[in-house]
Amino acid sequence: QKEVEQNSGPLSVPEGAIASLNCTYSDRGSQSFFWYRQYSGKSPELIMFIYSNGDKEDGRFTAQLNKASQYVSLLIRDSQPSDSATYLCAVYTGGGNKLTFGTGTQLKVEL
Amino acid sequence: NAGVMQNPRHLVRRRGQEARLRCSPMKGHSHVYWYRQLPEEGLKFMVYLQKENIIDESGMPKERFSAEFPKEGPSILRIQQVVRGDSAAYFCASSLAAYNEQFFGPGTRLTVL
Repeated sequence: QKEVEQNSGPLSVPEGAIASLNCTYSDRGSQSFFWYRQYSGKSPELIMFIYSNGDKEDGRFTAQLNKASQYVSLLIRDSQPSDSATYLCAVYTGGGNKLTFGTGTQLKVEL
Repeated sequence: NAGVMQNPRHLVRRRGQEARLRCSPMKGHSHVYWYRQLPEEGLKFMVYLQKENIIDESGMPKERFSAEFPKEGPSILRIQQVVRGDSAAYFCASSLAAYNEQFFGPGTRLTVL
C-alpha cells in the first residue's frame, strides 16, 4: 500500500462546476496535510493545509479531513480553466520529518 | 524576492561530471528540503536539513549524492559522476519550523547527456 494515494485522473469538469479531489494516506500518526497545485513544467504551489478534522475554507477552495477514515479531500468551487493543473496531496510521515506526496490528480476544466 | 531561490534553473552535464545545485530558503526559514521529480512521476523526498545539520537523508541514494546547509550561504545538493538516470527536476523547499507548510523554489532541471 502506498503511503499517499490519489487517482491519477484526468478528472474533467465543466467550467463553473465543483471539482472534488481525493486522497487517502496510510500513516495513522500523520497530523499535517497539504494540497499543492503544479502546472506543467512549474514547481508545486501550496494551496491549502489542514491539521484538524472537518472542513477548512479559503476562497473557492475547501479542504476536508477525516482522520478516522485516513482521508483528505480538496473541493474547488466555480472551477475555472486556470485551475487546470495537477493537484498533489502531501502528508508528513515517518515521525514528521518527511513530506510524502501522492502522484497527483490531473484536473481539466473545460469551457 | 522573498521566496525560495534556486540556481541554476537549467543545468546540462555530461556523464561522469559533477552537478551542484543551490538553494536559498525563504527569509527567516532554517529548514530546507530537497525533492526529485522524474518525468511523469511524483515528487520524491531526498533530504531534510537545518543549518549545519542533516536531519533526515532517508531518501538520498547511497552513492554519489550529498547535501549540505552551511552556517553561511545556500544549501547545496551535489551529485558526483552523473548518469543519464539523474536527469530530473530537483526542487528545494523551505519551512519556518518542522511539521510546517513547505514552500517550493522554481527548481533546477538537470539534463545529463
